Amino acid sequence: KAGVTQTPRYLIKTRGQQVTLSCSPISGHRSVSWYQQTPGQGLQFLFEYFSETQRNKGNFPGRFSGRQFSNSRSEMNVSTLELGDSALYLCASSLVSGVGNGYTFGSGTRLTVV
Amino acid sequence: GDSVTQMEGPVTLSEEACLTINCTYTATGYPSLFWYVQYPGEGLQLLLKATKADDKGSNKGFEATYRKETTSFHLEKGSVQVSDSAVYFCALSKIQGAQKLVFGQGTRLTINP
Repeated sequence: KAGVTQTPRYLIKTRGQQVTLSCSPISGHRSVSWYQQTPGQGLQFLFEYFSETQRNKGNFPGRFSGRQFSNSRSEMNVSTLELGDSALYLCASSLVSGVGNGYTFGSGTRLTVV
Repeated sequence: GDSVTQMEGPVTLSEEACLTINCTYTATGYPSLFWYVQYPGEGLQLLLKATKADDKGSNKGFEATYRKETTSFHLEKGSVQVSDSAVYFCALSKIQGAQKLVFGQGTRLTINP
């Protein structure tokens, strides 16, 4: 079966712009979580969506937002980009909310802010 | 808050050497513990997990035992291969509260032939 698909794989944006990243979960999975990976801060939880509702949120500024659609696909948006937002953004999907429920990661979107 | 500490990397070994990557955690309650592996240019793959004290997770020759008394979950392999070269992350997740993974900083492992 198809895995978690993240698009685009690579993205270059300019400071001050905004960006939208997409995550298509494994078929049947209803929960999508997002993580940011940087060399300095490591892997940090951004937020989780389940049945179109944000269930949990990490410690990130309001410039980071997300949403989930009725088909469980999720998008995350970062507004007013800063250089420090350069990172690999990973999403993970699972059947229901919960890390133990078949939590599977995508290959990520590499965002570079210049 | 909850946290995970891994041994500093990078780690470089010769093929067929023994591997241990140390991982300790701080958490209230009884978290589930995980090891993930990340190959170059890819996302994270679950390597193994343990959900309660004294559980041993194992996969592809890797093992880790959930030690509640020492709050540790060290990753071990008896004979490493060049294909094991990757970055390894220890992580925890709580049963109660926010459903998320808390990761260690990662350990880069390089195996030389």
